Amino acid sequence: QKEVEQNSGPLSVPEGAIASLNCTYSDRGSQSFFWYRQYSGKSPELIMFIYSNGDKEDGRFTAQLNKASQYVSLLIRDSQPSDSATYLCVGYSSASKIIFGSGTRLSIRP
Amino acid sequence: DAGVIQSPRHEVTEMGQEVTLRCKPISGHDYLFWYRQTMMRGLELLIYFNNNVPIDDSGMPEDRFSAKMPNASFSTLKIQPSEPRDSAVYFCASRPDSSTLRAQYFGPGTRLLVL
Repeated sequence: QKEVEQNSGPLSVPEGAIASLNCTYSDRGSQSFFWYRQYSGKSPELIMFIYSNGDKEDGRFTAQLNKASQYVSLLIRDSQPSDSATYLCVGYSSASKIIFGSGTRLSIRP
Repeated sequence: DAGVIQSPRHEVTEMGQEVTLRCKPISGHDYLFWYRQTMMRGLELLIYFNNNVPIDDSGMPEDRFSAKMPNASFSTLKIQPSEPRDSAVYFCASRPDSSTLRAQYFGPGTRLLVL
């Protein structure tokens, strides 16, 4: 089992809808998680981070963390074609080792 | 503030040649990371430094790869001799400190093609 798992997609969502990206992790001691967006041919760009149970909102983005169920999610409201990218879920293990998920490809169709 | 700077942005070389990739981290960041990204393997951590000292190089694929950080503002990743399977995008990233509440910030990457 990978330490941080994501569905590779592609996830296709109509423009204006909510895109839901999910990530599960195996190390129960993991403390914090980050979501990066990576456009094709570009470097990963930080969108959100979360370390407390519950929701954290920033504009159209909401990160959710459920430590009991060991999952992290990213919701994108009012999806735009410019949101089409690969989204990487990243966590720190209990040993402070950074673990990258393999990424989910999101496609917003007009 | 300037972000992480990498050079060159693109490199095309022939098998057997030496390749040197360069990175300047964000000023004041104590941690520097080198990654390789391919379609097949995704993003792989090669090595990281703390205060210019290599901490974990377990991701370095083989002895052909070496990395140095002579000072806080400069690091190199060298491949010698290069092979076609080294073709990938190489990212450098930096982080302010050891806190796991701190994110890494990536440079634009170096796209390497070994013919």
